[in-house]
Amino acid sequence: NAGVTQTPKFQVLKTGQSMTLQCAQDMNHEYMSWYRQDPGMGLRLIHYSVGAGITDQGEVPNGYNVSRSTTEDFPLRLLSAAPSQTSVYFCASSYGSGGLQETQYFGPGTRLLVL
Amino acid sequence: LAKTTQPISMDSYEGQEVNITCSHNNIATNDYITWYQQFPSQGPRFIIQGYKTKVTNEVASLFIPADRKSSTLSLPRVSLSDTAVYYCLVGPFYGGATNKLIFGTGTLLAVQP
Repeated sequence: NAGVTQTPKFQVLKTGQSMTLQCAQDMNHEYMSWYRQDPGMGLRLIHYSVGAGITDQGEVPNGYNVSRSTTEDFPLRLLSAAPSQTSVYFCASSYGSGGLQETQYFGPGTRLLVL
Repeated sequence: LAKTTQPISMDSYEGQEVNITCSHNNIATNDYITWYQQFPSQGPRFIIQGYKTKVTNEVASLFIPADRKSSTLSLPRVSLSDTAVYYCLVGPFYGGATNKLIFGTGTLLAVQP
């Protein structure tokens, strides 16, 4: 099992550019989520999905879109990048609904710099 | 979800036992306590979870007093590789789709030789 994989590891964007952060898991987990981590801020939930075709907003969803067409993949799209989106992005998955009863498995992260 | 308070940072030396306390004064009856560990440049990793009294696994112990308003993560004989940020999370066990994990700023544990 590769677990949770994320690509790219590092990306530099110019303001206004768009890009997609990829996240995939091979554990057949229903629940997947995206977090961003800024210095001194801990992790904040952006979007999450409880299964293919179902997504919902987290704490900081503005500027990001997600879709879940398969169980394995949960891409995060930045439609028009802004410097405020400079951050480290983590994708996570769990077997069940994503509550505390489920151990969350995190990917290695994508470091994004928006100039 | 219950608000948690942890120390921002702690220092320790190799071989010492480290105790990190998390305060959660408004913990609800059906809330559980979970701890995650995050190494630099990596995603968080589950350490331990409990509801009351004491839970122990191969990595750590979790002590929860009777009133459950706080909890203490205990790391026995730490090594340099235990240098990480430790997060305390509190919430209902079966939260469903509306139970979103909330990570605070965590506690940065620095272990020195």
